[in-house]
Amino acid sequence: EAEVAQSPRYKITEKSQAVAFWCDPISGHATLYWYRQILGQGPELLVQFQDESVVDDSQLPKDRFSAERLKGVDSTLKIQPAELGDSAMYLCASSFPGTQETQYFGPGTRLLVL
Amino acid sequence: RKEVEQDPGPFNVPEGATVAFNCTYSNSASQSFFWYRQDCRKEPKLLMSVYSSGNEDGRFTAQLNRASQYISLLIRDSKLSDSATYLCVAGRTGRRALTFGSGTRLQVQP
Repeated sequence: EAEVAQSPRYKITEKSQAVAFWCDPISGHATLYWYRQILGQGPELLVQFQDESVVDDSQLPKDRFSAERLKGVDSTLKIQPAELGDSAMYLCASSFPGTQETQYFGPGTRLLVL
Repeated sequence: RKEVEQDPGPFNVPEGATVAFNCTYSNSASQSFFWYRQDCRKEPKLLMSVYSSGNEDGRFTAQLNRASQYISLLIRDSKLSDSATYLCVAGRTGRRALTFGSGTRLQVQP
């Protein structure tokens, strides 16, 4: 069964450092999402791509976060500089075109900022 | 006020019990609804979609009341393996991604 791949699975960093997360969606899924999930809460959307274009980044803290999906396939989410409050699970999800609501999640990257 | 609200629980029930979770949503533009299951330290996985007519998948039954903006999930004959967090989710057709509730934690005890 096809899966969404993410790496690394775990990341520990010190505040003010830069971190980057990678996601490879299910083949053929044009829509890709990055969510952040803080412990005890549900996932919250950071950014949504349709192919290589950003369609929603209204909740992305653009002063420190950036995301790209240059070839419309895999994607990178970067944080620079990391802050203590960025400690969370970063989840990538993808879906078929036209069925945006049926999303498949990757295993996530658990970030701890010290 | 959160767009999707759930009772966080935990719901502690014995094996074999029937348990129901409720969820309300505030955005009347929401058009699609789901329940996702999330195991501890794992990613969310789609459990089932929710339709106005109600739908059933084995021991799981989901209901939607658009007039009251209310969604429910009923689990019959609870199993130990049902222990997880259940996320209520609303979506709008178009660019907006899914909006998740904070989840309801279920612990099924032997």
